[in-house]
Amino acid sequence: AQSVTQLDSHVSVSEGTPVLLRCNYSSSYSPSLFWYVQHPNKGLQLLLKYTSAATLVKGINGFEAEFKKSETSFHLTKPSAHMSDAAEYFCVVSEIAGGYNKLIFGAGTRLAVHP
Amino acid sequence: DAGVIQSPRHEVTEMGQEVTLRCKPISGHNSLFWYRQTMMRGLELLIYFNNNVPIDDSGMPEDRFSAKMPNASFSTLKIQPSEPRDSAVYFCASSFSLSGETQYFGPGTRLLVL
Repeated sequence: AQSVTQLDSHVSVSEGTPVLLRCNYSSSYSPSLFWYVQHPNKGLQLLLKYTSAATLVKGINGFEAEFKKSETSFHLTKPSAHMSDAAEYFCVVSEIAGGYNKLIFGAGTRLAVHP
Repeated sequence: DAGVIQSPRHEVTEMGQEVTLRCKPISGHNSLFWYRQTMMRGLELLIYFNNNVPIDDSGMPEDRFSAKMPNASFSTLKIQPSEPRDSAVYFCASSFSLSGETQYFGPGTRLLVL
C-alpha cells in the first residue's frame, strides 16, 4: 500500500526566505504525487501534481516540487516566501484501489511566515 | 467555473439533531467524494460516488451517517442523530472520472455538535 510521510509538522520562515516542505512516499510502482494547500477556514487547493512526466513540477504561486525516485521524495520548495503563503500543506500520493485513484494524504505541514 | 459548492459553510447544532450537508460538484465531473477532517485523524475519505452511484462507503463511521446523490449535480451527507464527536470539517470533492487523478475540493462545512 502507498503511504506518504511529511517530515515536519510545523515550518517557520521569514518573509523573503526560501521555503522547503519535505515529503517522502512509499510506493510499489511509479506513483502520482500532489501537493495541496489549505488556507485557514478554506478548502484544499491543488498546488501541483506529478504524473511521470518531468521530474521538476511547477505549480501555482511560485511553488515547485522535484520528484526523486532514488530518494522516494517529493519536496515542495519556493525561492521566496510571502506572508500569504502561511497555510497548511498536504503531500498526497494517488493509489489505484478498486478501479479508482484513491488519494492518500500526509498529516500536513503548517507553514508560518514571519515579517 | 464556480468550483465545488458546499452548503452550509458553518453549522452549529445540538446533540441528537439531524444534520444535512450539501454539495454541488463541478459540472461535467462524474465522481464525487466526501471527506471528514479532524485534528486527531486528519483527512478521512467517507464515501465516493461514480455516475451518481455509491461505490465504496466503507469509510462511513456509523449507520448514523448516510449519503445520497440523486443526480449529477447534487449530493447530500446526512448525520442522524448527530453527536459531539461528529464535530469536524466535512469536504466534498469531485473529479472528472474515477480514474481522473485530480480531485477538486469544496470550501468545506464546519460542523459543531454541542
